[in-house]
Amino acid sequence: EDQVTQSPEALRLQEGESSSLNCSYTVSGLRGLFWYRQDPGKGPEFLFTLYSAGEEKEKERLKATLTKKESFLHITAPKPEDSATYLCAVQARKGNTGKLIFGQGTTLQVKP
Amino acid sequence: NAGVTQTPKFQVLKTGQSMTLQCAQDMNHNSMYWYRQDPGMGLRLIYYSASEGTTDKGEVPNGYNVSRLNKREFSLRLESAAPSQTSVYFCASREGQGLGNTIYFGEGSWLTVV
Repeated sequence: EDQVTQSPEALRLQEGESSSLNCSYTVSGLRGLFWYRQDPGKGPEFLFTLYSAGEEKEKERLKATLTKKESFLHITAPKPEDSATYLCAVQARKGNTGKLIFGQGTTLQVKP
Repeated sequence: NAGVTQTPKFQVLKTGQSMTLQCAQDMNHNSMYWYRQDPGMGLRLIYYSASEGTTDKGEVPNGYNVSRLNKREFSLRLESAAPSQTSVYFCASREGQGLGNTIYFGEGSWLTVV
């Protein structure tokens, strides 16, 4: 069964304190791994797509990496405005329906 | 640039009532989706439409029906609402299932069934 697990569930950081969020997945053939940011009361906002092990993508203070079993979202010197829930999702090759399977999310709070 | 638009934003229903959540996208996307989000459960797929004229069940379809009215619109109907359907509902769209096609979400519809 395709599955996505994110850890930790919640993370509190001081401004400037770098850390990483984890997304572990089991999927029958990975077609793509997606990271989204979700602010309270809003819909998920797309951040990155990773397709193959070893791939990395960056956007401002965020860097996403991918291995064959997990992905990390590294946050360097975070600011309070980085506070949000970060969602990881995978798309499997099987069926080719475009469906995404989501993890439960990591809620990040960055204190000034 | 509206993207994915959902209505209503908030709704309170009594058990047994019916209602339809509306979704429209202006990006000329082929695929559309309905997800629900519950605390501790993440986003779960209810129904999806890979292209105009087709619909398929997702992970949690029971108690729901959908209609792909045209390429732009994809509605979700609750025929007889139950308290277990209290949730936040998100509509999403995507150009297609191929690599590189990002899925875009609407702002959500908060539904409470009492």
